[in-house]
Order: sequence, then structure tokens, then C-alpha cells
Amino acid sequence: NAGVTQTPKFQVLKTGQSMTLQCAQDMNHEYMSWYRQDPGMGLRLIHYSVGAGITDQGEVPNGYNVSRSTTEDFPLRLLSAAPSQTSVYFCASSLSGQGFSYGYTFGSGTRLTVV
Amino acid sequence: RKEVEQDPGPFNVPEGATVAFNCTYSNSASQSFFWYRQDCRKEPKLLMSVYSSGNEDGRFTAQLNRASQYISLLIRDSKLSDSATYLCVFYNQGGKLIFGQGTELSVKP
Repeated sequence: NAGVTQTPKFQVLKTGQSMTLQCAQDMNHEYMSWYRQDPGMGLRLIHYSVGAGITDQGEVPNGYNVSRSTTEDFPLRLLSAAPSQTSVYFCASSLSGQGFSYGYTFGSGTRLTVV
Repeated sequence: RKEVEQDPGPFNVPEGATVAFNCTYSNSASQSFFWYRQDCRKEPKLLMSVYSSGNEDGRFTAQLNRASQYISLLIRDSKLSDSATYLCVFYNQGGKLIFGQGTELSVKP
């Protein structure tokens, strides 16, 4: 049982490049989400999904796309990288949309630098 | 007003001290509160849920004050290993998980 697996752990991109951050969970969680964490800003929700085939925008969705073709996978695509997207990205999952007392399980993060 | 506010600290305390953090939230309809712990450059991990009646887990006590709209975390007998950033988390009215900026705790020998 690996939990939530994120790849890559580190990435450097040039402005304008695109890439996909991978997230996979093996806990059969319905709810998955992507956050970014910047100094002094806390974690901010980018996109989330309440189940396969369903996605929605969070607080800071611009510049990012997601899809949820399977329960296990929730990739995050950067369409045209910008320096403002330099951040640490966390994927998280939970048994249900509310997550209540279960809380969320986070991946170990992807540290992205855009130059 | 921000949805959630935390004192960023840092709180520097000696081993064995008792330390408390507060976190205020602006939406009175918020429910399901949590405290997460985040070690430097690592992912957040659930520390404990916060129940209306208050709850305790070993040296950690969490409380919810709905009237004043804040949650608190009390750590007794602080250990060096408690050094971390503590995030308060709750669900907003739209059902999204909202994170505070975190309070940094440093426990010194």
C-alpha cells in the first residue's frame, strides 16, 4: 500500500514549456486534489475531483489543467510554464469529498522551478 | 477578513514547556476542523481532528470555540521532535478544504 505517489520530486522548466505532474493513489479514494504551497501563502487549492470523470476548479486554477480518467490517477498539467508557477505542489486524496474525520493523505510533493 | 488566520510564529520554547496555538476562521458555517503537522520541506500529515466537545491525544489537546470562531491546539511537555509547522484546516461553506498559513514551533533543548 503506497498511499499517494507523486512524480517527479523535482523539476526545472523553462518559461513556456509544458509538463505533467503525476499523482496516483492506491487506497480507492474518491476525492483527489492538487495544492500549491508558497512561502507565506499556505496551501492553495488548484483543482479537485470527487470521482472519476469529474473535476472542478479550486482557488488558483489558471494555467493548470486536470483530468480524472481513473479513480487512481489525477495528473496536473502545466500548459505554458511561468515563473509565477514556481512552487511546491502537493496531491492529496480522501475517502470522500468531505473527508471529515478521515482527513487527507498527501503525496510527498513536487518541487517545481520555472526559469 | 481572511477565511483563516494563524499566528505564523515562530514559537521558540524549551523542552518540557506547554505551548498553545490558536486559529481563527471567518465563516460561521464551517465544519470539520483539523490540525495538520508539516515538517520542513515535507508533506502535511494529519495530527488530529477537532471535535466540538474538545479532544485529546496524548500530549495534544484540540478545542473548538464556535462562538468566538477559533480552534486551538495545546501541546504539553514539548519534545524536540514536536518542532514543525502546525496548520489549522477546515471545510468552508463550498465544501473545500482551507489551510491556514501555519504556525512554526521550535522546541529547544
